[in-house]
This record gives sequence, structure tokens and C-alpha cells, in this order.
Amino acid sequence: EVQLVESGGGVVRPGGSLRLSCAASGFIFEDYAMTWVRQAPGKGLEWVSGLNWNGGGAVYADSVKGRFTISRDNAKNSLFLQMNSLRPEDTASYYCARGDGGNYYPFDYWGQGTLVTVSS
Amino acid sequence: QSVLTQPPSVSGAPGQRVTISCTGSSSNIGAGYDVHWYQQLPGTAPKLLIYGYSTRPSGVPDRFSGSKSGTSASLAITGLQAEDEADYYCQSYDNTLSAPYVFGTGTKVTVL
Repeated sequence: EVQLVESGGGVVRPGGSLRLSCAASGFIFEDYAMTWVRQAPGKGLEWVSGLNWNGGGAVYADSVKGRFTISRDNAKNSLFLQMNSLRPEDTASYYCARGDGGNYYPFDYWGQGTLVTVSS
Repeated sequence: QSVLTQPPSVSGAPGQRVTISCTGSSSNIGAGYDVHWYQQLPGTAPKLLIYGYSTRPSGVPDRFSGSKSGTSASLAITGLQAEDEADYYCQSYDNTLSAPYVFGTGTKVTVL
């Protein structure tokens, strides 16, 4: 059974940092691109960042570029999102998802999400 | 503002058919990039509902169907059920954006 479990969310002050993790199981992690998607309270889905199977090709939404860094450890079946210089508008539930959303590779499995709250 | 536009809400009585549009442009849906649809039940993570315009993953009821025409895609729910009350999002790729993977604005389906 495919499982994605996010962790690392919490309350942080503006300007602070957090590192989100996504533990994957039930599939060959290194075979898949992975993605972070977020959802602000009461709002729609926003694609945040994606990464190829080998850790290359990192792409970021303009809203997080230069502040967030996506990475992965295929040996530990884990995906990460380092979030720096956090802003109140980064407050959201963050989901990791398998796939890149392109042709043939939809986001076919999602984690349960981890909530990040940026507030003073 | 997303490049994929959906109606904010649609509603229907149990058993009825509802459709959700996803309007794009020549740089995304019109360019032939796949459209995927996701269902998000209240308080839960999104779930893949349709991929590649019209293919249902295993376990998705055949009441859900997808189609494409020109620069738009549609999701249809036939035989609407109470459990279908959820938010629905289309998603595709846009070749003009530096962050090319985009979600639609989302549609709330209400079962009357």
C-alpha cells in the first residue's frame, strides 16, 4: 500500500524557518518525481515545488522561489521542503504528492498534510 | 489567479447529472497537455479522480467521467450521490509559466 506521511509542521514566527519531511512507503521511491502542494485555510490548491526522481530539475512557484528548497533522500525514501524567511501568507496545509502533474504522471497519491502556521 | 478557471460552485439533486468546466488556453489544455481531476472531501487530502482527461484510477466509480474540447476540459458526475459533495480541482501543465504545473480555481459541488 502506497503511503506518504508528512511531518515537521508547526507554528513559526515571520522570518523563521521550518523543514518539512515526507516519508514514503509501499512503492519504489526512486522511480518517481515528487511534489509539494499547499492549501491555505479555506482556499484552493497551490503547486509549490517539484523534483525529479534523481533529485534534479527542482522547480518552484514564484511565491516561494529563493526561500524554499526541495530535496530528497532516495536511500531513506524521504522528500523534504526547507522553508526559510517564512511569511504569514505561507500559512497552509502542506501536502506531498507522488508524481509531477505532467502528462502520464498525475499526483496519484497524497499524504494527509502537515499544517504550517506563520504568525507573530 | 490561476490560468485554469472553474465555476466556484455547482449543485444538483441526488441522481442528477452535474458538470464542472475547466477553461484554459492554447498554452495549457489547448496545447494538448493532460488534464487531471482531483476530489477533496471535507477535511481530507485531495484524491486523484481522473487522469489524462478521461481515465479513472482503479476504485473510482464510473459515475465520474472526463472529457476535453479545444481549450477546455470537463468533469461530469452522473447519478449524483450525497458522498460526492466535495471540492473538485482540475490540474494541467502550462508552457508559458516558470512554475508550469497549475491547479484550477476549484469547484464546490453541493448535493441538494
